[in-house]
Amino acid sequence: DIQLTQSPSFLSASVGDTVTITCRTSQGVSSYLAWYQQKPGKAPKILIYAASTLQSGVPSRFSGSGSGTEFTLTISSLQPEDFATYYCQQLNTYPITFGQGTRLDIK
Amino acid sequence: QVQLVESGGGVVQPGRSLRLSCEASGFTFSNYGMHWVRQAPGKGLEWVALVTFDGGKKSYPDAVKGRFTISRDNSKNTVYLQMNSLRVDDTAVYYCVKSLAYKMGSWHYLDDWGQGTPVTVSS
Repeated sequence: DIQLTQSPSFLSASVGDTVTITCRTSQGVSSYLAWYQQKPGKAPKILIYAASTLQSGVPSRFSGSGSGTEFTLTISSLQPEDFATYYCQQLNTYPITFGQGTRLDIK
Repeated sequence: QVQLVESGGGVVQPGRSLRLSCEASGFTFSNYGMHWVRQAPGKGLEWVALVTFDGGKKSYPDAVKGRFTISRDNSKNTVYLQMNSLRVDDTAVYYCVKSLAYKMGSWHYLDDWGQGTPVTVSS
């Protein structure tokens, strides 16, 4: 199975900051990578798929980049509603696998 | 809008069976693949199963292969997860998820999610 490692696992930031989360995969996944946001007690929500395509309705302050084995999720100008846990997920090779998550807290 | 409503969760003893259901609305169900994804208490996300739009292809990770079966009834807009030989480590919230992939497409990203149904396996 392809392992996904997110860094950092925990991140503290302030409203208005720009933050970047990295996802590294144990094997190349081309651009078959997605990012999800999950708030406490809620189901996850897709933000980005195919490494850099913003899902409809997702604010443009979210952006994704990368290919192969290294990917990033950048959130510009953090808003209060962005404090949540973020997961990356690969779709290149079954089984589908997720990163361990990055918890983004308010500083 | 897309709605996915899971049911069938509950408390069950190890070794027993449970069947989850997910009724879909707000989209043409028969055109999209469907997934089940679970999340153990305080843990991350784990993909459990995928069925393609027509039921022709099913995929599972090794952790559930041979014990869990995904199926769908397009006439009822419903996807199912039959879970047999349940273990304590199957305890989780189980989410029903609509795939981004339309018909024969392969982009089975996890698009719309239900609110989840909790399953507790305990003696």
